[in-house]
Amino acid sequence: KAGVTQTPRYLIKTRGQQVTLSCSPISGHRSVSWYQQTPGQGLQFLFEYFSETQRNKGNFPGRFSGRQFSNSRSEMNVSTLELGDSALYLCASDSGEGDTQYFGPGTRLTVL
Amino acid sequence: DAKTTQPPSMDCAEGRAANLPCNHSTISGNEYVYWYRQIHSQGPQYIIHGLKNNETNEMASLIITEDRKSSTLILPHATLRDTAVYYCIVRVARYNTDKLIFGTGTRLQVFP
Repeated sequence: KAGVTQTPRYLIKTRGQQVTLSCSPISGHRSVSWYQQTPGQGLQFLFEYFSETQRNKGNFPGRFSGRQFSNSRSEMNVSTLELGDSALYLCASDSGEGDTQYFGPGTRLTVL
Repeated sequence: DAKTTQPPSMDCAEGRAANLPCNHSTISGNEYVYWYRQIHSQGPQYIIHGLKNNETNEMASLIITEDRKSSTLILPHATLRDTAVYYCIVRVARYNTDKLIFGTGTRLQVFP
């Protein structure tokens, strides 16, 4: 079974731009969670989507948003990028019933 | 905040067993102990989880104390590829949507 895939793997943007990241979960998984990892703050939860609905949300500003499609694929959008948004963005999928989450390889975003 | 406490770093000789401790003194009766590891700049990799019984899989063994206030992840024969940051997480599993809360983890360095 294929694992969680994320595209693109690397991205460079400038301040003020917006960016969209994509995540394809493991086949059969209905929940997708997004995390941000920075050297200063570590791994932090952004939000979780299940059945095309945001089910859980972390403590991030409204510039961070997401959505999920009917095939469970998810996208994450960050608008008006700031330097501090430079991070590794990770998505994880699970069945949606609270069992083990499996992570993708991440998207490395650099904001200049 | 993370509910677990781990030593920031450990060393282990290649071929020897690596024993990574984790304290979770406030764990609730329905919370599982999960272990993930993250090799530099990759997505976290699921290793093992357990509730109260010791668990073993092809990657590692998990020993949970009888009072469930601490646990130890054992890599029986560490290799250089096991060099990574290891995260211990407590989480209610099954029919619960709690996000994973990562602490700072233990940086395991396996040396030749």
